[in-house]
Amino acid sequence: GAVVSQHPSWVICKSGTSVKIECRSLDFQATTMFWYRQFPKQSLMLMATSNEGSKATYEQGVEKDKFLINHASLTLSTLTVTSAHPEDSSFYICSGSQGGRDTEAFFGQGTRLTVV
Amino acid sequence: AQSVAQPEDQVNVAEGNPLTVKCTYSVSGNPYLFWYVQYPNRGLQFLLKYITGDNLVKGSYGFEAEFNKSQTSFHLKKPSALVSDSALYFCAVRDVYSGAGSYQLTFGKGTKLSVIP
Repeated sequence: GAVVSQHPSWVICKSGTSVKIECRSLDFQATTMFWYRQFPKQSLMLMATSNEGSKATYEQGVEKDKFLINHASLTLSTLTVTSAHPEDSSFYICSGSQGGRDTEAFFGQGTRLTVV
Repeated sequence: AQSVAQPEDQVNVAEGNPLTVKCTYSVSGNPYLFWYVQYPNRGLQFLLKYITGDNLVKGSYGFEAEFNKSQTSFHLKKPSALVSDSALYFCAVRDVYSGAGSYQLTFGKGTKLSVIP
């Protein structure tokens, strides 16, 4: 299957700082990127959907000013956690999609964020 | 509204025995169903999908799934479990339009599979 590369795999940052997570589709053009957050032993919670060249659409309850998403090209999307706090510590996963309902989405390997 | 249910938080099976991970769904139209697997601290890997056609779908790593329209189920199966199959399994339906021709995945809560040597 297609490859989505997500970096970094893990990051530790201090409270109040910002962290950027990159998600690249290596061998396909991701017209849509999805960003998820996963808490321990729980399912994936969709945070936002971004279509290339458009503003991201955020799910209810997700602060768009805190979780900045950019999808400037068909192969790169970024999530920036601004002014991070310990409660932002989580596992963040991106996913890229190039087609319709009948195509599978491809996932990055995830980023473990720890805010201290 | 679409939804996916995985009724078992955990499934334990002995190595070599057949395994089943259950999934039921609710959608307004034709279902587009997927199974993914997640290993610790990793993203999700695609296993298989049902779009149309044969009710028995074969996927990666020897897994298969049976689509049952009358029971609105899409159970994941494998004839002989391996210890390396131990992971978290997610059933999903792709039903919500998210723009640019793409659709969101709605996930079940996940089932932890433990294969005992």
